[in-house]
Amino acid sequence: GAVVSQHPSWVICKSGTSVKIECRSLDFQATTMFWYRQFPKQSLMLMATSNEGSKATYEQGVEKDKFLINHASLTLSTLTVTSAHPEDSSFYICSARDSRGSVSSYNEQFFGPGTRLTVL
Amino acid sequence: KNQVEQSPQSLIILEGKNCTLQCNYTVSPFSNLRWYKQDTGRGPVSLTIMTFSENTKSNGRYTATLDADTKQSSLHITASQLSDSASYICVVSAQGNTPLVFGKGTRLSVIA
Repeated sequence: GAVVSQHPSWVICKSGTSVKIECRSLDFQATTMFWYRQFPKQSLMLMATSNEGSKATYEQGVEKDKFLINHASLTLSTLTVTSAHPEDSSFYICSARDSRGSVSSYNEQFFGPGTRLTVL
Repeated sequence: KNQVEQSPQSLIILEGKNCTLQCNYTVSPFSNLRWYKQDTGRGPVSLTIMTFSENTKSNGRYTATLDADTKQSSLHITASQLSDSASYICVVSAQGNTPLVFGKGTRLSVIA
């Protein structure tokens, strides 16, 4: 089956610092990856769509200068939370689309295990 | 507006019992519907995915149904286990490269 990994699984940082989260598709190539944020007892909220080799597309209300996304290869996307503040504390989840159908015939998205960010 | 509504919001059942979770959607044009299981502090894991032409699909003790005419889906869990305690999220995909539409999930607690 398709596996998407995230690193780190959790991170605690001081307010004002930057944090980078990696998302990797391990057994398929993903031209498109997605970054979500989930607050406690809430559903996943799409932050941005990451396209390999091009600029990310951000959802309304998401600051592109604060949440930097880089999709440098077909298996790796990174999300950098710049100058993090306590209100950025959340659960960040990425997903990768199997657009070539190598592991699924449904153009399916596979989710990573998430990264818990706590900003002190 | 594309929306996915799930019910109930939460559910508590005894171990070994069956339960059914509901999902209604207004996403159009419809592409597929997915059910995910999300354990606390983990990412969603796919249980089933169904297209317009599929009206039932099973994955072990999980059976999903889809009525594309009424735009309703259900997830039936048979002989529940303590490990089934999680949030179950209904997600609908529209045709084209549009974002997935997520329901708010049903929080299931299976108790001994």
